[in-house]
Amino acid sequence: DTGVSQDPRHKITKRGQNVTFRCDPISEHNRLYWYRQTLGQGPEFLTYFQNEAQLEKSRLLSDRFSAERPKGSFSTLEIQRTEQGDSAMYLCASSLDGGMRPQHFGDGTRLSIL
Amino acid sequence: GENVEQHPSTLSVQEGDSAVIKCTYSDSASNYFPWYKQELGKGPQLIIDIRSNVGEKKDQRIAVTLNKTAKHFSLHITETQPEDSAVYFCAASVKTSYDKVIFGPGTSLSVIP
Repeated sequence: DTGVSQDPRHKITKRGQNVTFRCDPISEHNRLYWYRQTLGQGPEFLTYFQNEAQLEKSRLLSDRFSAERPKGSFSTLEIQRTEQGDSAMYLCASSLDGGMRPQHFGDGTRLSIL
Repeated sequence: GENVEQHPSTLSVQEGDSAVIKCTYSDSASNYFPWYKQELGKGPQLIIDIRSNVGEKKDQRIAVTLNKTAKHFSLHITETQPEDSAVYFCAASVKTSYDKVIFGPGTSLSVIP
């Protein structure tokens, strides 16, 4: 069990640029979640996959955000035309199928918009 | 909408003392309550969880209690150590999706040696 892995750990970009983050979940976990966390707040749910199907999206996920999990393994989160307000920590978590199972988090990607 | 409140926002205790963090939730259908510890620069780490059919759960120095009637749940850390210093988050499941949890705003715990 190597844990949830996220890449990159830090991303600095100029406003208006596109960015893409990657998440590799724990290998046997078929559920994958994306969260956003700002300073002094708890993680806020963005979206959830079961295998390759995106089953739920938060209102926080504007049309500039898109997430994919093409083969039911790793996932990518893309932000187009970044804005200052997108600066945050983006966290990925995964869990096993079958009832309420604990979510295991990666160490996140910290995005800074200049 | 669904909401989880958490108190206090900051907590300082002397090493060896106990720390208590309290949370309330709004969704009466919530039935799963995990607690996470987040250290600086790291992701949240699950430390203990409780389901609605259980009133209390212990794991070494950590215990969680749940009062479903009052929609309260609490984290108790006994014999605190400096390495317990971190931000702690409570969370509650949401009825709209069995796998979705809503997090509280966090409690920053400092254990003073």
